[in-house]
Amino acid sequence: QKEVEQNSGPLSVPEGAIASLNCTYSDRGSQSFFWYRQYSGKSPELIMFIYSNGDKEDGRFTAQLNKASQYVSLLIRDSQPSDSATYLCAVKIGGTSYGKLTFGQGTILTVHP
Amino acid sequence: DVKVTQSSRYLVKRTGEKVFLECVQDMDHENMFWYRQDPGLGLRLIYFSYDVKMKEKGDIPEGYSVSREKKERFSLILESASTNQTSMYLCASSLVPKGNEQYFGPGTRLTVT
Repeated sequence: QKEVEQNSGPLSVPEGAIASLNCTYSDRGSQSFFWYRQYSGKSPELIMFIYSNGDKEDGRFTAQLNKASQYVSLLIRDSQPSDSATYLCAVKIGGTSYGKLTFGQGTILTVHP
Repeated sequence: DVKVTQSSRYLVKRTGEKVFLECVQDMDHENMFWYRQDPGLGLRLIYFSYDVKMKEKGDIPEGYSVSREKKERFSLILESASTNQTSMYLCASSLVPKGNEQYFGPGTRLTVT
């Protein structure tokens, strides 16, 4: 089992819809959770981080963390074509050293007009 | 704002050449990381450094070495470039007392011919 797994996608949603991206992790000691957005040919850009159970909202983005079920999700409300990108989930696995993060393989999101 | 810069956006080298990739961050971050990213393989950690002159191997260190002589600069060295090292190379940095969120540079697309 991979340490961090994302729904494989690609995910296609119409403009204005809610896009839901999911990520599960294997280690119960995991502490910090991150979502990155990566446009084609560009580097990953941090868009959300969450440390505690529950929801965290930032504009159109909501990160949800459920440590008991070991998943973290990202909701994008009112999706726009400019949200079309690969979304990477990253987790600080418990016991890992010096800020090392484990990344999922990414989910490609396409928002069509 | 955190700024991570990389010495080149695109680089073309010949098989057997020694290649230096430079990364500089301006936010006094302790941790610095080198990844490569290939289609279908995601982000893979090559090496990371948690302090000046300190380094640890990541998941795929073979064929690479690193140097960190100053806190702000982390270099990746390909001792003898090979065609299978053609890839996108990404540098990142993070601050230990915070949540370990990593900030990425723009990336270097290296082609070895």
